[in-house]
Amino acid sequence: EIVLTQSPGTLSLSPGERATLSCRASQNLDSRYLAWYQQKPGQAPRLLIYGASSRGTAIPDRFSGSGSGTDFTLTISRLEPEDFVVYYCQQYGSTPLTFGGGTKVEIK
Amino acid sequence: QVHLVESGGGVVQPGRSLRLSCAASGFSFSNYGMHWVRQAPGKGLEWVAAISNDGSRKDYADSVKGRFTISRDNSKNTQFLQMNSLRADDTAVYYCARVKSRGTFWADAFDIWGQGTMVTVSS
Repeated sequence: EIVLTQSPGTLSLSPGERATLSCRASQNLDSRYLAWYQQKPGQAPRLLIYGASSRGTAIPDRFSGSGSGTDFTLTISRLEPEDFVVYYCQQYGSTPLTFGGGTKVEIK
Repeated sequence: QVHLVESGGGVVQPGRSLRLSCAASGFSFSNYGMHWVRQAPGKGLEWVAAISNDGSRKDYADSVKGRFTISRDNSKNTQFLQMNSLRADDTAVYYCARVKSRGTFWADAFDIWGQGTMVTVSS
């Protein structure tokens, strides 16, 4: 099983700042099989990034993904008020599919 | 408009059974693999099960293997999760989710999610 470790657990930033979220895999992962999701309180997750760097449908370009091997990053270039929620990475390169523990982005 | 709507959640005693449904609309359901993902209260996401577009292939998380069964009825655009021998740690919101690409089984991101249905296992 591929374990995904997200850091930090909580990120405290101000609107307009840049957010950098990390996702580390316990073994090498083909970047085609890494996704990022955003989850707002009381809502289902929303696909932000797939294939490590491709944006999902209607996702603003302030969201970008990068990385390879075991280290992947989600970057939010300028935080908007609605971005202060929880983010999860997911690998779908092997079963069981696994998610990271999440990073909460909170207002500083 | 593409939609997934889960139903069937509720409060159930340990050891009992429950069947969840996920009704799809707005897309060609029989062309897509489907999954169930759950989220315990205040916790992260956990993948539960997957089924191929034609229902011939299935896969499960170890935590539910032998107790849960995923299935689908393409004539009714609906997938199901039969949950037997429920335990307290099965308490969660259960989401159904669609893979992004036609024909993909599990090696794909989830681009469409339902709103979730809550399952509470308690005596």
